[in-house]
Amino acid sequence: AQSVTQLGSHVSVSEGALVLLRCNYSSSVPPYLFWYVQYPNQGLQLLLKYTTGATLVKGINGFEAEFKKSETSFHLTKPSAHMSDAAEYFCAVSESGGGADGLTFGKGTHLIIQP
Amino acid sequence: KAGVTQTPRYLIKTRGQQVTLSCSPISGHRSVSWYQQTPGQGLQFLFEYFSETQRNKGNFPGRFSGRQFSNSRSEMNVSTLELGDSALYLCASSPGTGPAFFGQGTRLTVV
Repeated sequence: AQSVTQLGSHVSVSEGALVLLRCNYSSSVPPYLFWYVQYPNQGLQLLLKYTTGATLVKGINGFEAEFKKSETSFHLTKPSAHMSDAAEYFCAVSESGGGADGLTFGKGTHLIIQP
Repeated sequence: KAGVTQTPRYLIKTRGQQVTLSCSPISGHRSVSWYQQTPGQGLQFLFEYFSETQRNKGNFPGRFSGRQFSNSRSEMNVSTLELGDSALYLCASSPGTGPAFFGQGTRLTVV
């Protein structure tokens, strides 16, 4: 069975500082990995995805994530935080790319940006 | 291209009633999945439909059911509502494989 662990339910950074949101996964097969963002009273927006190939994945809004198989990690980073980045972030894993087996989500990390 | 559309956005129901939620996927997407989001349990997979067939189901009681129509639109039904069914219900569509794109959700409150 697949699972996702997001370390830190809340992460606070200053505006302009590095954002690092941690995600570790377990999967019995090569995984598909995703990061989603959720703003209050909204659905989920896809930030980026890893399927195969390049392990450093670039997404929208300046975010990127690196797939590290040896560490079973897929941490999300952004060099410089903006106030508009404040939101809930979810890491997700799938064995079929998000299709038939659905997505397994982590519990989420609430990102707080301090002015 | 229009995104995933869920209706209604908000719903209040009484315990014991049943409810039907609707989801229109992105044009050309044949896979529709449903998720329940609650503060306690987080995001949980309910079921997935592809070309009118349920391909997979999460660990939810039989009170939760769904269907998909030939135009890929999907409905989710919850019968005999319980207080614990209060949640944000999210629908996602994808071409079949690849990332899922989510709608804004339906906020269901059971009183």
